[in-house]
Amino acid sequence: EPEVTQTPSHQVTQMGQEVILRCVPISNHLYFYWYRQILGQKVEFLVSFYNNEISEKSEIFDDQFSVERPDGSNFTLKIRSTKLEDSAMYFCASRDLWGTGELFFGEGSRLTVL
Amino acid sequence: KQEVTQIPAALSVPEGENLVLNCSFTDSAIYNLQWFRQDPGKGLTSLLLIQSSQREQTSGRLNASLDKSSGRSTLYIAASQPGDSATYLCAVRPITRGSTLGRLYFGRGTQLTVWP
Repeated sequence: EPEVTQTPSHQVTQMGQEVILRCVPISNHLYFYWYRQILGQKVEFLVSFYNNEISEKSEIFDDQFSVERPDGSNFTLKIRSTKLEDSAMYFCASRDLWGTGELFFGEGSRLTVL
Repeated sequence: KQEVTQIPAALSVPEGENLVLNCSFTDSAIYNLQWFRQDPGKGLTSLLLIQSSQREQTSGRLNASLDKSSGRSTLYIAASQPGDSATYLCAVRPITRGSTLGRLYFGRGTQLTVWP
């Protein structure tokens, strides 16, 4: 069964360092998303992406964040200068153009900022 | 802004019981509602999606209902098993002017433990 894959599964970084989280969405999907979940809190929307541009972003997604689809398969989230409060599980999701609108999520990348 | 609430926050039951998990949302203008399962430290597995025009969806032992006008959904789990132990999340996709992609708004989840 097709699935969304994310790497790395866990990354530990020092405050102020740049981090890139990678995602391979399901192959025929055209809408891509990043969400995050701080430990013990709700899953929160960060950004949606379609046709090589950001469609919508939340108030969390400030200038420190960026997304890119560098090739036909990868979708990346970059955090330019990490802060302690960026520590969270980051989820990538995708869905197809037609169909039910169901979102499919990856297993997540756990980011720990020290 | 859409707010999603799930009750109860935690539930612990013996194997075999039939369960009802509740989800409520503040704005009834939604495209759909999706139920997810999350195992500890893991990703979100989609269980059921209900379109705004539907009343319920079934998959195996799971049945989800939607009452859009009252802003409620329930997830019914029949004959619960220890393998059902996980956190169950409810998420709604509001109708948003100007955006076709539609972000999801999540509840905090119900942490379910089914003991043998």
